[in-house]
Amino acid sequence: DVVVTQSPLSLPVTLGQPASISCRSSQSLVSGDGNTYLYWFQQRPGQSPRRLIHKVSNRASGVPDRFSGSGSGTDFTLKISRVEAEDVGVYYCMQGTHWPKTFGQGTKLEIK
Amino acid sequence: EVQLVESGGGLVQPGGSLRLSCAASGFNFSSPWMSWLRQAPGRGLEWVAHIKEDGSKKLYVDSVEGRFIISRDNAKNSLYLQMNTLRAEDAAVYYCALGDGAVWGQGTLVTVSS
Repeated sequence: DVVVTQSPLSLPVTLGQPASISCRSSQSLVSGDGNTYLYWFQQRPGQSPRRLIHKVSNRASGVPDRFSGSGSGTDFTLKISRVEAEDVGVYYCMQGTHWPKTFGQGTKLEIK
Repeated sequence: EVQLVESGGGLVQPGGSLRLSCAASGFNFSSPWMSWLRQAPGRGLEWVAHIKEDGSKKLYVDSVEGRFIISRDNAKNSLYLQMNTLRAEDAAVYYCALGDGAVWGQGTLVTVSS
């Protein structure tokens, strides 16, 4: 299985400051169709996961533009330009190129 | 509004069976792949099973292969997960999801304990 590794696992951030989460995969996520199926999800406390980013850098509908995704191949990043209180939760990256689809361990974002 | 509503979770003894359902609304259910995922208490996320639009292709994570069966009824806008020979490690909140996680349900809790 493709191993997906996130860092850091804990991310204390001051309100209004930027935040960045790294995601690395054990294999290239470039699919045979040329797409890279790397996703980012947010799970707020007590809620179901919500997709933020699909195919590396495409924001899902309704996701604020302070969230951005980038990367290629095996290295990817989720950035939040200015953290707000509602951003508290666990963030997961997920690869959908190889079966089984696999998630990173999660990064817990909290406010300092 | 796209909605997915899971049901069927509960307490089951090890070795027992349970059938989960997911009722979909707000989109053309017969179009996308659909999936079941799970999250053990305090743990991360795991993709369990995936089914093609017409049900002709099904994929399972190794840990449930041969024990779980994913199915769908496009006429009823419903997704199912038949779980057999349940083990303690299958205990989790089970989510149904649209495509590659574009939309998730609220989840249904499965507890496996004697």
